[in-house]
Amino acid sequence: GESVGLHLPTLSVQEGDNSIINCAYSNSASDYFIWYKQESGKGPQFIIDIRSNMDKRQGQRVTVLLNKTVKHLSLQIAATQPGDSAVYFCAERAPYNTDKLIFGTGTRLQVFP
Amino acid sequence: NAGVTQTPKFQVLKTGQSMTLQCAQDMNHNSMYWYRQDPGMGLRLIYYSASEGTTDKGEVPNGYNVSRLNKREFSLRLESAAPSQTSVYFCASSVKSNEQFFGPGTRLTVL
Repeated sequence: GESVGLHLPTLSVQEGDNSIINCAYSNSASDYFIWYKQESGKGPQFIIDIRSNMDKRQGQRVTVLLNKTVKHLSLQIAATQPGDSAVYFCAERAPYNTDKLIFGTGTRLQVFP
Repeated sequence: NAGVTQTPKFQVLKTGQSMTLQCAQDMNHNSMYWYRQDPGMGLRLIYYSASEGTTDKGEVPNGYNVSRLNKREFSLRLESAAPSQTSVYFCASSVKSNEQFFGPGTRLTVL
């Protein structure tokens, strides 16, 4: 199997429960944030993004919350399914160079029946 | 559209050998990126190209070179591979300042 993320923080949830994955970002001037999902053996896939002029954005079963005061992002997944098992990364657009994204180290989500 | 494609998918090299990882995108994106991903770590930027004809160093450029061959293609070259370069390599592309789209990765082992 894929060895990426062997020592990542892990969140274990039961199928059907809601999941909350947290991320602290580094730059108070960052204006754009993204959550990615990475399944075993695959490249990261875009889930949802949010700009700094918003506090909350909803997608299908996912919600991203942004707290600029404490530089914190969270990803909420409703009714977690086995297919949600993956490593989740947050990323912020670098304020000093908008061509770059700065990635967090990731959180592994494990869904058990 | 194929999105971002990478070749090869897997590669084993001996220390000192050279190789080039290929990346192509068909989304007409200006920006392209090379990352490496090691166990327990996030994605680290090696090099990027904000537009055709330009390349810039990222966080971990030592031991690598890149070529932005045209708007579609961005290659990563290891001139003399070292065991420390064993990793999974991802190419990505984006419209400037927006989300990046990733390829499936190249799993490289250097013995």
